[in-house]
Amino acid sequence: AQKVTQAQTEISVVEKEDVTLDCVYETRDTTYYLFWYKQPPSGELVFLIRRNSFDEQNEISGRYSWNFQKSTSSFNFTITASQVVDSAVYFCALNDGAPGGYQKVTFGTGTKLQVIP
Amino acid sequence: DSGVTQTPKHLITATGQRVTLRCSPRSGDLSVYWYQQSLDQGLQFLIQYYNGEERAKGNILERFSAQQFPDLHSELNLSSLELGDSALYFCASSVGALQPQHFGDGTRLSIL
Repeated sequence: AQKVTQAQTEISVVEKEDVTLDCVYETRDTTYYLFWYKQPPSGELVFLIRRNSFDEQNEISGRYSWNFQKSTSSFNFTITASQVVDSAVYFCALNDGAPGGYQKVTFGTGTKLQVIP
Repeated sequence: DSGVTQTPKHLITATGQRVTLRCSPRSGDLSVYWYQQSLDQGLQFLIQYYNGEERAKGNILERFSAQQFPDLHSELNLSSLELGDSALYFCASSVGALQPQHFGDGTRLSIL
């Protein structure tokens, strides 16, 4: 069965600190996609990144970076030099199944990040 | 602005009633997803449609149903409403399966 675990329910950091949000997933499929979404206090959900199961390269986008490790089934998200605007709930999600076939989408329970000025 | 439009933004109704939530996807997107977000259950995937056909099913109750129309807009029907159905219902769309999803602002449903 598919499962996404975000063990950190809430994290508080002081502005300019680095913070890593953990995501561990379970799937029996060999082809799958992992996502991170951000939900700021205003409530909308915003796509951040997608990674497929065959691409283990880490990715950096500005202050954001992602570390995908199939060996540990983890897809962790790091924010460098955090800012107050980073305060939000961050969701990790798993989408597996063959393209064109039946799929399942599973979201983690989210990690609430509070960046204190 | 994600380009995904959900109506209504707020809905207040009573137990036992039936409501319909509407979603218009981004222009060009063929996939539509429905999610339920409540405080105790987190973000739960309900159902996905691709070009009018059901493609994936999550934790959707039998009292709930959905469809995607030829113009690609989608409706989520909730019937025999219970207090526990109070939640924020999100619609998302994507170009295709396994692609990034773009979310609407949600419909907040309150059952009294």
